[in-house]
Amino acid sequence: ETGVTQSPTHLIKTRGQQVTLRCSSQSGHNTVSWYQQALGQGPQFIFQYYREEENGRGNFPPRFSGLQFPNYSSELNVNALELDDSALYLCASSLLLAGTYNEQFFGPGTRLTVL
Amino acid sequence: GQNIDQPTEMTATEGAIVQINCTYQTSGFNGLFWYQQHAGEAPTFLSYNVLDGLEEKGRFSSFLSRSKGYSYLLLKELQMKDSASYLCAVILFSGGYNKLIFGAGTRLAVHP
Repeated sequence: ETGVTQSPTHLIKTRGQQVTLRCSSQSGHNTVSWYQQALGQGPQFIFQYYREEENGRGNFPPRFSGLQFPNYSSELNVNALELDDSALYLCASSLLLAGTYNEQFFGPGTRLTVL
Repeated sequence: GQNIDQPTEMTATEGAIVQINCTYQTSGFNGLFWYQQHAGEAPTFLSYNVLDGLEEKGRFSSFLSRSKGYSYLLLKELQMKDSASYLCAVILFSGGYNKLIFGAGTRLAVHP
């Protein structure tokens, strides 16, 4: 059973650019959530995808968007990058079953620096 | 709004016991997680409480009081490798899905 993986590990971009971050869910999981973690802070929920559809979103602007693919891998896209977007981006996968909550397994994260 | 408070930093001595507190005020509650996070790494699961009381798992224990909006993580027989951030996270069920709301984390430094 493979764990959650993310790519790339580190990324440097400049203001105004666009970035795509990738996540491969743990085998057997059907849900992926994305979090932004600024330095010294806890992770902030961006959005969640279940069976290829967004089914929940935190307080992030529309320039943060995502996709989930049939194999349950996922992408996070951020347009018009701002300096404050510099953070660790975490992907977490879980198995969503009706009426239950299951543990989220986190990937190692992508460290994004915006200059 | 959702509010989760935990101390910013704590220090302790190797072999000792430390208690990290977490208080929460959230609109809805579906359980509480504690995660450990070493610098630059992903959070890793430590414990899950949904009912009041103490959950024990080896050197780690977690307590929950839903009426008080309070939880703590107890670490016994501290080791140097326990130096990390400890994140308290509340599960909220809203709009048909569960999401985790995290506190800012408590940085624990264990000294010899």
